[in-house]
Amino acid sequence: GESVGLHLPTLSVQEGDNSIINCAYSNSASDYFIWYKQESGKGPQFIIDIRSNMDKRQGQRVTVLLNKTVKHLSLQIAATQPGDSAVYFCAELPGDSNYQLIWGAGTKLIIKP
Amino acid sequence: DAGVIQSPRHEVTEMGQEVTLRCKPISGHNSLFWYRQTMMRGLELLIYFNNNVPIDDSGMPEDRFSAKMPNASFSTLKIQPSEPRDSAVYFCASSLSSLNQPQHFGDGTRLSIL
Repeated sequence: GESVGLHLPTLSVQEGDNSIINCAYSNSASDYFIWYKQESGKGPQFIIDIRSNMDKRQGQRVTVLLNKTVKHLSLQIAATQPGDSAVYFCAELPGDSNYQLIWGAGTKLIIKP
Repeated sequence: DAGVIQSPRHEVTEMGQEVTLRCKPISGHNSLFWYRQTMMRGLELLIYFNNNVPIDDSGMPEDRFSAKMPNASFSTLKIQPSEPRDSAVYFCASSLSSLNQPQHFGDGTRLSIL
């Protein structure tokens, strides 16, 4: 699947609040999921990943939740900071491939001062 | 630690010219990927190498595109001849090839073909 970049969903959050970015994935056989952050002029930066045998994983200020029943993935960012402004992509790895990522459309996160 | 290193960061050239993009993967990573990103199509996988061998080049758009990986620390993506529709940001990424490993991206080459 291809991600479509023309009309990026946008999420505006007040600095200091928590952000929740959602992603619906397509393949029920996918068993590995990744969140990337892409700042302007940079490449996608790995944030956190989760395997299908888990439903929650925490990192530093970030938490990923996986709901396999409804094929839904979310990224929670605690105490959002100006440096969190970026486009966030989810990506899934189908069970029949160890390299062909399927990318979500991306969500643009804007931090209001 | 050094991440994936790409050069040049920006390239502007006239159509018909040959363009060569370069990538140095993270040391120890044995999988390497070339992607293209545009507003219209998002991120597209062009080619995937494992242990320096091209495994999947089905994403390479045309014969004008070619990629090589002569050793574990260097890869090139070449476009010859270039066309305006090749204008995009080209990313290189690398990963460990064991199952369920994240791909790590360079900061890309912004290519403009006039």
